[in-house]
Amino acid sequence: ETGVTQTPRHLVMGMTNKKSLKCEQHLGHNAMYWYKQSAKKPLELMFVYSLEERVENNSVPSRFSPECPNSSHLFLHLHTLQPEDSALYLCASSQGAGVLTGELFFGEGSRLTVL
Amino acid sequence: DAKTTQPPSMDCAEGRAANLPCNHSTISGNEYVYWYRQIHSQGPQYIIHGLKNNETNEMASLIITEDRKSSTLILPHATLRDTAVYYCIAYSSNDYKLSFGAGTTVTVRA
Repeated sequence: ETGVTQTPRHLVMGMTNKKSLKCEQHLGHNAMYWYKQSAKKPLELMFVYSLEERVENNSVPSRFSPECPNSSHLFLHLHTLQPEDSALYLCASSQGAGVLTGELFFGEGSRLTVL
Repeated sequence: DAKTTQPPSMDCAEGRAANLPCNHSTISGNEYVYWYRQIHSQGPQYIIHGLKNNETNEMASLIITEDRKSSTLILPHATLRDTAVYYCIAYSSNDYKLSFGAGTTVTVRA
């Protein structure tokens, strides 16, 4: 139990569907992250939020839309995905505002399959 | 970003120390060395980090060479539950990017 909870743990969706991944942290952290881990590939940083403001968008396609309504919650809205978007999506949080520590706490991930 | 290089895999015996090397010859002065591990199908787990000095916590020890071009993560008494992919990362708080490479797949054998 890391204090970072992701739901759903598994999601199967068609290419025309719209779905959302949810992340909640109970650690009092100010920064939250989305990472993508495709099969046989390293983790890729997607988005970083600090104090609910997006500070990093790592060239992610617009079919992935993040939302951070408060410092405890982070969403990843998905629409018109492609089969190659099938991956494990990991959420993380960390302390810091402005200067972010590299000590991230990860959730267990949401396994996404796009048919 | 400074890049790190790690061996793709290594085996170690249960109960023995596991020494995991990492090269980071282009690390800059404000970049820390971070270590994470990822057990199969789980999210990565933070292990330890350091800048110049050697560090120790309840999980591991981190030895950084004086020129900071390489480091070694030491798991003092490896157990089967330490089987995982271990990542060495050079991180600067200036750019927010904790970038993971391929890591070292460590297999602890009974």
